[in-house]
Formats: sequence, structure tokens, C-alpha cells
Amino acid sequence: SQQGEEDPQALSIQEGENATMNCSYKTSINNLQWYRQNSGRGLVHLILIRSNEREKHSGRLRVTLDTSKKSSSLLITASRAADTASYFCAPWMDSSYKLIFGSGTRLLVRP
Amino acid sequence: EAGVAQSPRYKIIEKRQSVAFWCNPISGHATLYWYQQILGQGPKLLIQFQNNGVVDDSQLPKDRFSAERLKGVDSTLKIQPAKLEDSAVYLCASSLVGYNEQFFGPGTRLTVL
Repeated sequence: SQQGEEDPQALSIQEGENATMNCSYKTSINNLQWYRQNSGRGLVHLILIRSNEREKHSGRLRVTLDTSKKSSSLLITASRAADTASYFCAPWMDSSYKLIFGSGTRLLVRP
Repeated sequence: EAGVAQSPRYKIIEKRQSVAFWCNPISGHATLYWYQQILGQGPKLLIQFQNNGVVDDSQLPKDRFSAERLKGVDSTLKIQPAKLEDSAVYLCASSLVGYNEQFFGPGTRLTVL
């Protein structure tokens, strides 16, 4: 499979703690994107990191990319109950010219 | 800026019936996508349009699914005839160009009985 594969599949943390999700992929990419999905707002783009970037920040989100290991991580700092959602990584594959979504990490932030 | 619009939001049909979904992308977005998302899984790309043309439809079950994008704007996805395994959420998304961030609509939840 060429899809981004997230790890862990599920994560439960206390509000205020940090959450880290990992993603691995198999072929060369143009960029890698992270999306969030919850019942209220549907699927929403969070952040895009290009293949020549190593780290990117957006508010409480920090994404890293290691193309040599074909892996990425998403860190959510100071989590809130509203961060409860499924998080998907989606590599944009050079070979197939499309996003490939994994099965996601289900994050539960307990109040 | 208006988001991606989809209709209907919910649809319940019997197997072997037909169903159609409509999508209106964000104005100016050249690329339009249809995804199928089965419960507990990530979205799976069914078809990708660049303006009027099809870029990728490798995972579209062409014996029963069809899609078109008229005049490079609105798009419809049709299933004829539906099977039980087609029960899923059908998501439409658009982007300025293919490799950019994608904006998703609210989806259509299809239940096939």
C-alpha cells in the first residue's frame, strides 16, 4: 500500500497534555498533509509540509517530516477537549499525483 | 468565501436502486475530487477532475459508478445499481491545483438496504 499509515490507531489523553501522532509512507512525495475529522466540522485541512521542509508550526500544531525515514509526526500541544477527532496524514505521491489517506488516529481528549 | 457544497446530506435507498450526488466546489478551484469513506477508514479517492478532464479514476468501480464535471464547475456522482457495500459517506473536495490543500464538503451519507 502507498497510503500514509498512522500510529497509534487510538490515543486517549487528559486535557492539557500533549498528543503525538506518527505517519509512515512508502514512496517519494511532493508534500504531506494532515487533516482532522470530527462529527461537527467534517474533514478539515490542518497543515501542509513540503518535501524540502523539516518542520512546520501552526498555532498549537507542530509537524515534522523526515524524508529519509519516510515518516512524519504531528504534535498537538496543550490539548483541549475540542481536539477530540480523527487525524489523518495524507502524502501527496509523486508517482500517482494524488493524496492517499491512511486509516487515521482517533484522539480522545478527556476533560 | 463559500465552502464546498454537497447535496443531499443523507440518502437511504434499496439495493439495485440508483442514486446521484451533487457537488459545487469553491469558486476558482480547478481540481475536484470524489472520495468514498467507509466507517472507520480514511477517505478513498474515487475520481479526480482537473477542470473538465479526468486525472485519475483508477479506483472508481466503472461498472456501476459514473461521474461528470460539466463546464469545469459542478460535478455529479452516480451509482447505478447500488450494492450493500456502497453504504458510506461520499465526500467531495476541491483545490486550486492538485497538490495543494483540499477543502472538503460536508459529505453525503448513503445507506443501502
